[in-house]
Amino acid sequence: GAGVSQSPSNKVTEKGKDVELRCDPISGHTALYWYRQSLGQGLEFLIYFQGNSAPDKSGLPSDRFSAERTGGSVSTLTIQRTQQEDSAVYLCASSLGWGGTSDLTDTQYFGPGTRLTVL
Amino acid sequence: SQKIEQNSEALNIQEGKTATLTCNYTNYSPAYLQWYRQDPGRGPVFLLLIRENEKEKRKERLKVTFDTTLKQSLFHITASQPADSATYLCAFHSGGYQKVTFGTGTKLQVIP
Repeated sequence: GAGVSQSPSNKVTEKGKDVELRCDPISGHTALYWYRQSLGQGLEFLIYFQGNSAPDKSGLPSDRFSAERTGGSVSTLTIQRTQQEDSAVYLCASSLGWGGTSDLTDTQYFGPGTRLTVL
Repeated sequence: SQKIEQNSEALNIQEGKTATLTCNYTNYSPAYLQWYRQDPGRGPVFLLLIRENEKEKRKERLKVTFDTTLKQSLFHITASQPADSATYLCAFHSGGYQKVTFGTGTKLQVIP
């Protein structure tokens, strides 16, 4: 595909259930990011991957949140025992890498997001 | 910890005027700053990147400046149009294997 895709686009779940959110980055992009955006708020960094490894997990709000990336491509963000405060739009972005001399290296391309509603 | 501050109040300007948005940061200077545009219900879209050794960068009607003394970046849209109405986010990158930190964004409304 030409861009970053995320699925599902919308997810409604009951409090206490587990959810999995999927991100398909642009082919060839080594860096992948997850953010959370609550209504009317800025982007809250959750985690990023360089290849399959996650150098920085400091943004994950609690141990109920986890993420993995396989084959340097698809990533899954899992939220266990969901709470109402987890309701937000979860955005994924990918980039060629970072720290390069070209502006395009670090440019993040965002997916459309997954809107999560926890009842 | 590093903080990125953008004017949280909406900015309303008349069509044709120049819009100027501000991004301030605390502590250390970033390796570079990025500016993104976000429309309702969509993910942010990259606009411009400016590095710490650059003073100014332009792209069509857009201009970004970077002042490491003031710890500030300004984002200008000249000859603004109603289609420029959106939320504009600045993003701070300290370089290397570091995460990107986004500001909360400033909502711009261009009035016809």
